[in-house]
Amino acid sequence: EAAVTQSPRNKVAVTGGKVTLSCNQTNNHNNMYWYRQDTGHGLRLIHYSYGAGSTEKGDIPDGYKASRPSQENFSLILELATPSQTSVYFCASGDLGGGTLYFGAGTRLSVL
Amino acid sequence: QQKVQQSPESLIVPEGGMASLNCTFSDRNSQYFWWYRQHSGEGPKALMSIFSNGDKKEGRFTAHLNKASLYVSLHIKDSQPSDSALYFCAVSPGTGSNRLTFGKGTKFSLIP
Repeated sequence: EAAVTQSPRNKVAVTGGKVTLSCNQTNNHNNMYWYRQDTGHGLRLIHYSYGAGSTEKGDIPDGYKASRPSQENFSLILELATPSQTSVYFCASGDLGGGTLYFGAGTRLSVL
Repeated sequence: QQKVQQSPESLIVPEGGMASLNCTFSDRNSQYFWWYRQHSGEGPKALMSIFSNGDKKEGRFTAHLNKASLYVSLHIKDSQPSDSALYFCAVSPGTGSNRLTFGKGTKFSLIP
């Protein structure tokens, strides 16, 4: 099965600080996605990428940047973290031609 | 923008019982539909997909799709403790895309 690894698994950050969440996939998938999960909102798409060097805005991109330096790695960057960004963040990968998304185990972020 | 709505928010059934989870979507051009399952502390995992109108059965799970009615459902038969989880409906805009829009989820539990 596809392997998607997120780090760190837990993170506590201070308001105004910079946070970087990392994601690595070993399945040579072209597409990678960042979602956040909040009670009452389900999974919401923040940013996604169709390959190294490309990033696209999802449905809720404000306050977030993304970076895809290689096929395997996709990062989510919070330049100035705010308490409203406290959430569980999931990375996922999938084939270029569509099909199943494979999710990582998530990163729980608390911004104090 | 695609809207995906799920009902009920939560569902409790006895072990061995049947359950029905409902999902409606707003974009008539939607082509592919997925059910994802998330156990506590884990990332979501694809349970099954359906692309054509009608029913699709996989073991104890049956998905039903009616594109004209903008409706998809998941039926669980002979519920087992391992079925207790959060279930998401997800919709893809078209061929070759796994840029999914998720519903808010249905929390499914078994009566102990």
